[in-house]
Amino acid sequence: NAGVMQNPRHLVRRRGQEARLRCSPMKGHSHVYWYRQLPEEGLKFMVYLQKENIIDESGMPKERFSAEFPKEGPSILRIQQVVRGDSAAYFCASSSGTPYATNEKLFFGSGTQLSVL
Amino acid sequence: KNQVEQSPQSLIILEGKNCTLQCNYTVSPFSNLRWYKQDTGRGPVSLTIMTFSENTKSNGRYTATLDADTKQSSLHITASQLSDSASYICVVTPRSSASKIIFGSGTRLSIRP
Repeated sequence: NAGVMQNPRHLVRRRGQEARLRCSPMKGHSHVYWYRQLPEEGLKFMVYLQKENIIDESGMPKERFSAEFPKEGPSILRIQQVVRGDSAAYFCASSSGTPYATNEKLFFGSGTQLSVL
Repeated sequence: KNQVEQSPQSLIILEGKNCTLQCNYTVSPFSNLRWYKQDTGRGPVSLTIMTFSENTKSNGRYTATLDADTKQSSLHITASQLSDSASYICVVTPRSSASKIIFGSGTRLSIRP
């Protein structure tokens, strides 16, 4: 049972290009979360999705950023027209049920390091 | 405002020594409190998870405690090893799904030989 898989591991983009980050949750997990982490800082919530639905996107910038979790395939975090400030590590996590259940565990991927030149 | 504050921000100890990391939170009521270990360049890995009714939870050399009255949690590491060098993150989940899961900024622990 593979863990949460993220790819690519590293992504280099020039300003103005598009970045697509992929996340395959653990088998059987239908809840996916995206977090962003700047160097020396903590994880910041971006978006919470549950198969085909965006549950909470309040942590995601209104422009240039979008996320989806289709019925088939991985979750995608898409950043259009990237700027240098988008450079960060982007982590995906998954759970089998709502994270608000008392013993529900979150499992994290190894992250995608996005560098914008 | 729901917050999670961790201290110290960073800590250096010698291999074999014990240490205790602190987490203060204002999230109330909460569903669970978790401690994660994050190695450099990797995703966080769960160490312990405690519900609001639990006082302590152990995982090998890691022991987490929770005092719901003072809204404090601690993570105690016994007989530290070089592989314990990492960031340790305290995460509190509110009971209401209307509020977000709150991540602390972490304590960066370095173990010296």
